[in-house]
Amino acid sequence: QSVLTQPPSASGTPGQRVTISCSGSSSNIGSNTVKWYQQLPGTAPKLLIYNNNQRPSGVPDRFSDSKSGTSASLAISGLQSEDEADYYCAAWDDSLKGYVFGTGTKVTVL
Amino acid sequence: EVQLVESGGGLVKPGGSLRLSCAASGFTFSTYCMNWVRQAPGKGLEWVSSISYSSSYIYYADSVKGRFTISRDDAKKSLYLQMNSLRAEDTAVYYCSRAAGIGNYSFDPWGQGTLVTVSS
Repeated sequence: QSVLTQPPSASGTPGQRVTISCSGSSSNIGSNTVKWYQQLPGTAPKLLIYNNNQRPSGVPDRFSDSKSGTSASLAISGLQSEDEADYYCAAWDDSLKGYVFGTGTKVTVL
Repeated sequence: EVQLVESGGGLVKPGGSLRLSCAASGFTFSTYCMNWVRQAPGKGLEWVSSISYSSSYIYYADSVKGRFTISRDDAKKSLYLQMNSLRAEDTAVYYCSRAAGIGNYSFDPWGQGTLVTVSS
């Protein structure tokens, strides 16, 4: 079961800024770093952002994240059609002794 | 190029067993932690299990504890998931992924996944 809560969907027109929230608890987001994964249609997930705004090579700086207490958020600025995908947050949970993923957010470019 | 290739998925009856494999290449396998994550059809991601380098630490999701066993063979650069007492709710695409450690570490990269279908 998912322990991190995300909105099921988000949308915007090309060029707009879209934000996705990720709500957790003190045992996961509150005490560990948050990662964000992008899953394009029909493909495997891909690491998007990790450890406070670190981006793997090739990920544009239009993607950024932030964290406050037990919540985190992913921002996509200058939304592009290729950003249509499912986005998942994730973190280690100290109580469960395992990783927890968010419920996932489907981003649609209108 | 770092690459992970899963295999071993298929159709199995409830109560049956299946062994998944993940072949790694392009990096020093023995120095990385490895993970299994699954995704039921049309659903989100669910972490399944993690194993540290040298197999010193192993963790399982409660949903699979006691039924699944993760293991690794560093000489063969391979990760395994032995799945026993399979249930319909285990039906999913199973992905393997690499991590630099267990805890505050990212899963990167991911394999293409292998589909496990549990049905009579």
